[in-house]
Amino acid sequence: QKEVEQDPGPLSVPEGAIVSLNCTYSNSAFQYFMWYRQYSRKGPELLMYTYSSGNKEDGRFTAQVDKSSKYISLFIRDSQPSDSATYLCAMSPDNFNKFYFGSGTKLNVKP
Amino acid sequence: GAVVSQHPSWVICKSGTSVKIECRSLDFQATTMFWYRQFPKQSLMLMATSNEGSKATYEQGVEKDKFLINHASLTLSTLTVTSAHPEDSSFYICSAEVNEQYFGPGTRLTVT
Repeated sequence: QKEVEQDPGPLSVPEGAIVSLNCTYSNSAFQYFMWYRQYSRKGPELLMYTYSSGNKEDGRFTAQVDKSSKYISLFIRDSQPSDSATYLCAMSPDNFNKFYFGSGTKLNVKP
Repeated sequence: GAVVSQHPSWVICKSGTSVKIECRSLDFQATTMFWYRQFPKQSLMLMATSNEGSKATYEQGVEKDKFLINHASLTLSTLTVTSAHPEDSSFYICSAEVNEQYFGPGTRLTVT
């Protein structure tokens, strides 16, 4: 079993929809949770960074961490065509000393 | 399946020395591997794209003579940081691509 599981998609939604992206994990030692957005052939851009459980909101993006269920989510409100990209979740047990990435979910927001 | 490993996971070296970081795809063959650099809580900066058997393609601003990339086989790519300086201290992450992109756990380089 992989440390981090993420549905590869592709996920196709109409413009303005609420998008829900998810990852599950198996290692209860993970404390730091990240979401990255990656456009084709570019480096992943850090969108959200959370520590432990709870919610974090930044503009149209909300990250949720449920450590009891080993489940994290990224919500995108009022999705735009420019949000079309691959979204990667990543986790670390010890603050950027070791990473475990999901395989990424490809999102397509149709105008 | 689709596991990517990096070795070492953490290395400390003296200024002026060279350090080699390995990236391996353990259970699949990857024609393309990518090398990234990350500073804490920041995005991953793509350094170079490496294709097996050919020269790496470096991103603008990345010194190819300083960051030597060798992709000798379909399962191994190496990044050598030559004449390392303290400003090279960072977290280096590789990924391997076969249909999807799979990331390694990263290597922390500290140059003293």
